[in-house]
Amino acid sequence: NAGVTQTPKFRVLKTGQSMTLLCAQDMNHEYMYWYRQDPGMGLRLIHYSVGEGTTAKGEVPDGYNVSRLKKQNFLLGLESAAPSQTSVYFCASSYSSRGYADTQYFGPGTRLTVL
Amino acid sequence: AQSVAQPEDQVNVAEGNPLTVKCTYSVSGNPYLFWYVQYPNRGLQFLLKYITGDNLVKGSYGFEAEFNKSQTSFHLKKPSALVSDSALYFCAVRDPPGNTPLVFGKGTRLSVIA
Repeated sequence: NAGVTQTPKFRVLKTGQSMTLLCAQDMNHEYMYWYRQDPGMGLRLIHYSVGEGTTAKGEVPDGYNVSRLKKQNFLLGLESAAPSQTSVYFCASSYSSRGYADTQYFGPGTRLTVL
Repeated sequence: AQSVAQPEDQVNVAEGNPLTVKCTYSVSGNPYLFWYVQYPNRGLQFLLKYITGDNLVKGSYGFEAEFNKSQTSFHLKKPSALVSDSALYFCAVRDPPGNTPLVFGKGTRLSVIA
């Protein structure tokens, strides 16, 4: 049981390049989330998904797109990377948040630098 | 809208002394409250949560937290700090019963000095 995994662990991009971050979970969780972590800012929610085929915007969605084609995977895309997107990105999953106090489980993170 | 505040960016404590990491929240209803810990270059790990019931919640690694509704606080505590407790601690809140994701505080860095 690997839990939540993220690919890649590190990446350096040039401004304007695109990339996709992959999150996978093997816990059969319904909900998945993408956060970014910046110094002094805590964790900010980018997008989340309440089930296969559905996504919703979080606090800071601009410049990112997501897709949830399979229940176990949640992809985060940057179409045209900007230096402001330099951050550490975390994926998380939970069984359900429909009124339940479900624990979110986090992946190890992806450190992205945009030059 | 729900929100959470961690008023201290940094907490320093001597090994063996009790520690407290503070958290206050704002929600419209009865909150679900969480504490997570992040060690260097790692993801967040769940420590404990409050749903309902006993105001004192016990969690992993000897940590506990006290829910205080009148003060809208959920402070994290440990009776005797270890150097290995040095990490970044996050408080989070959810305002049920909606489908809202967790809202995290900005984090408090705990340093335990030997």
